[in-house]
Amino acid sequence: DTGVSQNPRHKITKRGQNVTFRCDPISEHNRLYWYRQTLGQGPEFLTYFQNEAQLEKSRLLSDRFSAERPKGSFSTLEIQRTEQGDSAMYLCASGPDRTDTQYFGPGTRLTVL
Amino acid sequence: GQNIDQPTEMTATEGAIVQINCTYQTSGFNGLFWYQQHAGEAPTFLSYNVLDGLEEKGRFSSFLSRSKGYSYLLLKELQMKDSASYLCAVLTNAGKSTFGDGTTLTVKP
Repeated sequence: DTGVSQNPRHKITKRGQNVTFRCDPISEHNRLYWYRQTLGQGPEFLTYFQNEAQLEKSRLLSDRFSAERPKGSFSTLEIQRTEQGDSAMYLCASGPDRTDTQYFGPGTRLTVL
Repeated sequence: GQNIDQPTEMTATEGAIVQINCTYQTSGFNGLFWYQQHAGEAPTFLSYNVLDGLEEKGRFSSFLSRSKGYSYLLLKELQMKDSASYLCAVLTNAGKSTFGDGTTLTVKP
């Protein structure tokens, strides 16, 4: 399978714990995006990488959320001191340079108790 | 900022045609996407419009008018499997995509 993969697919954690999610993009894609989606809403942009450079990020990533893509391949999204409001589906997408099309991974569903 | 509006729900009959509208207000417009999302699954790409006009791809077509801030997705010969949420998303020059909340389409026999 050469699609976008995300791990874990499900994560249950207690409030106050830190969690880290991983995204492996399609191998030839230089662009990588993170989104958060809650029920009944569209995906909410979190951040975007071009290779290892983080080019754009929402205000959410200035606090408890951080993302990295150290070698320009896989990426991690960390949430520190989780809150119940962080419960959501976290989606990763990748895209090639030559188009702006994004291909989504299956997502990581986070439940904060 | 960006603002994207699309109807919350639509219902149509199998074999019919349905048009899902999307209006947007944005700065630095660079293109508009349509995605399909089945419940519990990730969005899948349907279409991408950069220039005004109609893009046809099989049973699905997408239209864009940049001057009006308007797009629609047209689904023909509806099938039961087309029941899903349809997401309109605007891409800005900064590379950021802003999604609408989606239109839940229910196809009835």
